[in-house]
Parts: sequence; structure tokens; C-alpha cells
Amino acid sequence: QVQLVQSGAGVKKPGSSVRVSCKTSADTFSNYALSWVRQAPGQGLEWMGGIIPMFNITKYAQKFQGRVTFNADESTTTAYIELSSLTSEDTAVYYCARDYRAKYCTSTTCYTADAFEIWGQGTMVSVSS
Amino acid sequence: EIVMTQSPATLSVSPGERATLSCRASRPISSNLAWYQQKPGQAPTLLIYGASTRATGIPARFSGSESGTEFTLTISSLQSEDFAVYYCQQYNNWPLTFGGGTKVEIK
Repeated sequence: QVQLVQSGAGVKKPGSSVRVSCKTSADTFSNYALSWVRQAPGQGLEWMGGIIPMFNITKYAQKFQGRVTFNADESTTTAYIELSSLTSEDTAVYYCARDYRAKYCTSTTCYTADAFEIWGQGTMVSVSS
Repeated sequence: EIVMTQSPATLSVSPGERATLSCRASRPISSNLAWYQQKPGQAPTLLIYGASTRATGIPARFSGSESGTEFTLTISSLQSEDFAVYYCQQYNNWPLTFGGGTKVEIK
């Protein structure tokens, strides 16, 4: 059974950065795109962007551009999101989610969007002084 | 960006009854529409993709349909485990966007 396993919850100070990991299988890392989706307490879902880990191809939601970075480590088949300049409005559960269709894509132009078939368990990030 | 509008915000239904949830896209999105179920404290679960195709393992009581930019999720006979929040999502255009959700509660 395919799983995405995320790192644990954390509390961060305003102005700092947070890094959340998403451990995948080798098949997922090689053949699928992963997105990052967040959910503030009691609120809906918000797409932050995605990455094709094998080729480090990324797409960012404009809202987060310049403040968020996605990367991936092939040796551990793990994807990461790093969000900087945190404010209280970044308090949320952060999910990684895998596209339902595999894709072989080596450039941004072939990165097509998809629904999300597999989700990580979520990582709660609280921003508080 | 494409705005997804879900209605109603809350739907009160008795077990065994039919539930009909709506989602409207602000622009055409072809059939690139997914539905998710989310229970408290859990990650979302994919129910429907391609507007009407059930994901693996999803019971037949869940069905999706479309008419232009209007999409519908129907739960034919609500079971106790179906009381949850449901989100639609378009994946036709970047950025990917979700509707605000419909909470299905016990009447």
C-alpha cells in the first residue's frame, strides 16, 4: 500500500522558517508529482504548489512564490517544503499529496495537473511567539 | 484563477437518504474536477476524478456528474460513515483550486 509519511508537528516563531518532509516510495518518487496543500484550523484546503521529485520540476502558487521552496532528495526518496517569513496566518496542517496519474516529465511545460489520490497524514505547524 | 463555489455550506440529511452536493466553476474546466471527503482529524480522501469516475475502493453509492461548469456529487443512501466535509477541486488550470466545502451532517 502506497504511503506518504510526513514529519512531525512543530511550533515556530514569527519570522522564522519551517521545513516539512514527506517520505515516499521509490516508485512514487520516480514516476509521480507531489503537491503541497495546507489547511488552516477550521478552514478549507489551499494548494501551495507541486514538484516532480525525480526531475526537481516545480510549480508554485503565486501567493507563496518567493516564500516557499520545494525540493527532493533522491537518496531518501523524500520531498520537502520550506516556508519562510512565517506569520500566524501560516498556522495550518500541511499535507503532501500524490497525483493519481504517473507522469514522465522532464520540463515544466509537460507538468500537467491532476487530482490527488494519495495523501500524507498531515503536519501541524503552529506559528506563535 | 478559477474560483470553485460549493453549495450548500451545510447539508442536513437523515441516514439512508440521498444527498446532493453542488460545485460551480467560474470558468470552463472540461471534466477536470475531483471530489474529496474529509473526516475530522484526517487527510482528505479522493472519491471522484474526471468529474464522474470513482476512485479505487469508493462505494457505488457515490456518483459524480457535470453540466457545463456545474458539477454534482450524489450520495445515493447516506451511511453513518459518510457524514463528513466534502470538497471539490479543479485541476484544469494552474493554480489548482478547491471549493470551500460542504459539511454533511446528521439530521
